[in-house]
Amino acid sequence: GENVEQHPSTLSVQEGDSAVIKCTYSDSASNYFPWYKQELGKRPQLIIDIRSNVGEKKDQRIAVTLNKTAKHFSLHITETQPEDSAVYFCAAAGFQKLVFGTGTRLLVSP
Amino acid sequence: EAGVAQSPRYKIIEKRQSVAFWCNPISGHATLYWYQQILGQGPKLLIQFQNNGVVDDSQLPKDRFSAERLKGVDSTLKIQPAKLEDSAVYLCASSLDSGGAGSYTFGSGTRLTVV
Repeated sequence: GENVEQHPSTLSVQEGDSAVIKCTYSDSASNYFPWYKQELGKRPQLIIDIRSNVGEKKDQRIAVTLNKTAKHFSLHITETQPEDSAVYFCAAAGFQKLVFGTGTRLLVSP
Repeated sequence: EAGVAQSPRYKIIEKRQSVAFWCNPISGHATLYWYQQILGQGPKLLIQFQNNGVVDDSQLPKDRFSAERLKGVDSTLKIQPAKLEDSAVYLCASSLDSGGAGSYTFGSGTRLTVV
């Protein structure tokens, strides 16, 4: 089955810096790659997603890149703000199953 | 559009007791998922329904966990008997289809504490 690895597990940045979170997946049949932001005690919220026929997608300060050959995808957050502090999960879906990474705790210091 | 509804929000039980969680997905969403999220970890899929049929329950501890989705709409997840390691947030999610082409919407979850 699918296995998703996520790095780093924690990431501390200064406000205004960029943050990058990387994930790798094992199942070449996976075709949908969402990213979720989860604040303490709340549900995961979809922040951006990318499908396997696209290499890059951007939404304001957030971008995601996908390398199908290497089976890895990354989340890029630019101009980070304190409210970006949360746990971020990557996930991979294919053949009806969404598998999550282990999460990255992002801390943005003012 | 109403979101995925879950109840209760919190539940505290003693080990060996039984507990049930309820989920009502977004109207029209054929696929429903139950995830278990242990503190500090990513959500782990327990069971996936397509309408009222089970698509994947490979990670469901079937000796103590059961789930059903009668009529293909709302669903219940039951634990009997509960163990200390079942303490987690149980998230329900739904999607329009199951082919990976649509986004998944999560409910607020039920936080279970087993003491």
